[in-house]
Amino acid sequence: DIQMTQSPSSLSASVGDRVTITCRASQTISSYLNWYQQKPGKAPKLLIYAASNLQSGVPSRFSGSGSGTDFTLTISSLQPEDFATYYCQQSYIPVTFGQGTKLEIK
Amino acid sequence: QVRLQESGPGLVKPSQTLSLTCTVSGGSISSGSYYWSWIRQPAGKGLEWIGRIYTRGSTNYNPSLKSRVTISVDTSKNQFSLKLSSVTAADTAVYYCARVPDVFSDWFDPWGQGTLVTVSS
Repeated sequence: DIQMTQSPSSLSASVGDRVTITCRASQTISSYLNWYQQKPGKAPKLLIYAASNLQSGVPSRFSGSGSGTDFTLTISSLQPEDFATYYCQQSYIPVTFGQGTKLEIK
Repeated sequence: QVRLQESGPGLVKPSQTLSLTCTVSGGSISSGSYYWSWIRQPAGKGLEWIGRIYTRGSTNYNPSLKSRVTISVDTSKNQFSLKLSSVTAADTAVYYCARVPDVFSDWFDPWGQGTLVTVSS
């Protein structure tokens, strides 16, 4: 199985900050990398697919980049509704997820 | 707009079989080329992919669960289902169903709201 490692595991930031979360795959996955946001008690929500494609309806302050083994999710200017847990996910079978990054208010 | 809704018992006894159904609304489960997946999340932990079924019936399972998992589809009811046998407390989790919009690159959208299944006697 392909292991996905996110860093950091938790992050404190303020409204308006620029935030970057990284995800590393244990082997190359081309651009088969997706990002989700999950709020407490809710299902994950797709933000970015195929490494850099913004899902319809997702604010443009979210962006994704990378290929091969190293990927990033960037939030350009944090809004109050962005405080949540973020997961990366690779698409090769068996699909695997990163352990999550909890983004908290500073 | 396609919506998914999980249903099934919230409590299952150890060694028994967990059975859940995902009902798809707002579109036909057999229209287009989609995979339909199950994913679970133990309380306070990360996400684990269980498996998927193609509209025409082929399946893929997580090797860690493969010996205990069956995913099936009932197009007449616009539903797909999960069966997980010989459950233990480690199978206690929120179970989500989700659609895979692109058969060449698995991402999940939309998701159901999730249903909590507790394994306990």
